[in-house]
Amino acid sequence: ILNVEQSPQSLHVQEGDSTNFTCSFPSSNFYALHWYRWETAKSPEALFVMTLNGDEKKKGRISATLNTKEGYSYLYIKGSQPEDSATYLCASNSGNTPLVFGKGTRLSVIA
Amino acid sequence: DGGITQSPKYLFRKEGQNVTLSCEQNLNHDAMYWYRQDPGQGLRLIYYSQIVNDFQKGDIAEGYSVSREKKESFPLTVTSAQKNPTAFYLCASNSGVWQPQHFGDGTRLSIL
Repeated sequence: ILNVEQSPQSLHVQEGDSTNFTCSFPSSNFYALHWYRWETAKSPEALFVMTLNGDEKKKGRISATLNTKEGYSYLYIKGSQPEDSATYLCASNSGNTPLVFGKGTRLSVIA
Repeated sequence: DGGITQSPKYLFRKEGQNVTLSCEQNLNHDAMYWYRQDPGQGLRLIYYSQIVNDFQKGDIAEGYSVSREKKESFPLTVTSAQKNPTAFYLCASNSGVWQPQHFGDGTRLSIL
């Protein structure tokens, strides 16, 4: 089973701080890397799907980078707001296999 | 609005009982998935289906069964063989392996 690791497990930041967290995945036979945001009492929502080495994607204050050769992706949040508080999940697959999810990073933004 | 509907939101199972969780989507997606979440764990794949009348086991399929008779529907049965069914269950769908998954709101299953 492919192993996807996320760090840190949880994070507390002050409103206005920028932050980032990491997703590590096996680099061999890499297929795609997904990021999701999961707010309490809601369903997970897709942020990005990334497939190419060096890819960078941006959605408002959130951006992500991908390094498929070394097997990691970073998610950045610029100027964190309380509404950014959520669990951020990454998931990866190899070949044409189903996604494997990491355990998530729980972000709390303190006003 | 298009989306995924899971029902019920909460479900209680008695010992030795089979229960079925419903998942319906109107997104016209070919692929559907069932995940289980336990505290401190990531989402773990139970079963998935890439096309009608076909499905595959995920990483933790033991004690579960599914059917995919219609494109819109992918019900999950938690059988009495699943000895630790208490968990949060999420259903998802997408239109292809490169596409993001869309999730339902989940069903929380507990043992009576």
